Amino acid sequence: GAVVSQHPSWVICKSGTSVKIECRSLDFQATTMFWYRQFPKQSLMLMATSNEGSKATYEQGVEKDKFLINHASLTLSTLTVTSAHPEDSSFYICSASSPPSPGQETQYFGPGTRLLVL
Amino acid sequence: AQSVAQPEDQVNVAEGNPLTVKCTYSVSGNPYLFWYVQYPNRGLQFLLKYITGDNLVKGSYGFEAEFNKSQTSFHLKKPSALVSDSALYFCAVRDRPGGYQKVTFGIGTKLQVIP
Repeated sequence: GAVVSQHPSWVICKSGTSVKIECRSLDFQATTMFWYRQFPKQSLMLMATSNEGSKATYEQGVEKDKFLINHASLTLSTLTVTSAHPEDSSFYICSASSPPSPGQETQYFGPGTRLLVL
Repeated sequence: AQSVAQPEDQVNVAEGNPLTVKCTYSVSGNPYLFWYVQYPNRGLQFLLKYITGDNLVKGSYGFEAEFNKSQTSFHLKKPSALVSDSALYFCAVRDRPGGYQKVTFGIGTKLQVIP
């Protein structure tokens, strides 16, 4: 099946610094990538949808200037948490989608990145 | 708006017994339905999906799910549970308009298989 990787798998940073998380589709071209955030014992919450070569679409309540998303190629999307604060500590998961045919898209998820802001 | 309900926070089942994890959904059009499994500190792994066709969908690791349109349900099942099946299971739904891929996830059901 399709493989999606994330790097780093975990990161600890000081408050006020910026952190970049990479999401790569390893064996397919992802026309669309999604970024999710998951708090302990809660479901995934979609943060934004990014399509290669265009601006990301952010969900309501997600600060686009704080969570910068870049989808520069069909295999790479990055999420940068700018000026991180302790409340940004969470598990960030990306997914990638590549439609084999219209309407048949399945999302494939990365392993997640755990961010801890001190 | 689309939504998913997983009414059980946790399901406990003895090893070797059949298991069911419940899911109901609400969409305005025809649904795409998915089940994913998440192990601790890991991302989600795709188990199976319903797009169209047979109401009984077979997926990975011996899991299957039955689509019931009249009851708007998509329960996950397995005939014989394994201890290694213990994990967090998410049901998800997407409406089927062309090109729009936003998926809504349920809150998750923790499956505990008891040896």
